[in-house]
Amino acid sequence: EPEVTQTPSHQVTQMGQEVILRCVPISNHLYFYWYRQILGQKVEFLVSFYNNEISEKSEIFDDQFSVERPDGSNFTLKIRSTKLEDSAMYFCASSLREGAKNIQYFGAGTRLSVL
Amino acid sequence: DQQVKQNSPSLSVQEGRISILNCDYTNSMFDYFLWYKKYPAEGPTFLISISSIKDKNEDGRFTVFLNKSAKHLSLHIVPSQPGDSAVYFCAASGSNTGKLIFGQGTTLQVKP
Repeated sequence: EPEVTQTPSHQVTQMGQEVILRCVPISNHLYFYWYRQILGQKVEFLVSFYNNEISEKSEIFDDQFSVERPDGSNFTLKIRSTKLEDSAMYFCASSLREGAKNIQYFGAGTRLSVL
Repeated sequence: DQQVKQNSPSLSVQEGRISILNCDYTNSMFDYFLWYKKYPAEGPTFLISISSIKDKNEDGRFTVFLNKSAKHLSLHIVPSQPGDSAVYFCAASGSNTGKLIFGQGTTLQVKP
């Protein structure tokens, strides 16, 4: 069964460093998303991406964050200068369509630890 | 952001019995609702969904009920199995957006 793949599973970084989280969405999906879950809190939407551009972003997704689809398979989330509060599980998701019947399929996540 | 709420942080049921997980929402623009299951160290796994034009959707042991007037949905699992033990998230979306708004999750424990 097709699945969303995320690497690495755990990333440890120093505050102020740049990190890139990688995702391979399901191959025929057109919409891509990043969510995060801070320990003990809800899963929160960060950004959605369609047709090589951001279609929606949350307040969390500030200038320190960027997304890219560098080739036909990868979808990345970059955090330019990490802060302690960026420590969280980051989930990538993909879907075939948006709006009604928008079933998003999630990867296993990357645990980001900022020290 | 309290648009989607799951007021019960945990639920414990006996194997073979019914599990009922509840979810409330406040935004009347939501028109699609999903339930996800999550095991530790894994991502959310899609379980079942329902469109706002329906009041019930069934898939095997899982049934989701939607009460639009009460802005309430519930997930019924019958019969419950120990492998169902996980965190269950309710999520909602609107037709003009792709983002999912999640509830806090309910941890279900099914005892053998």
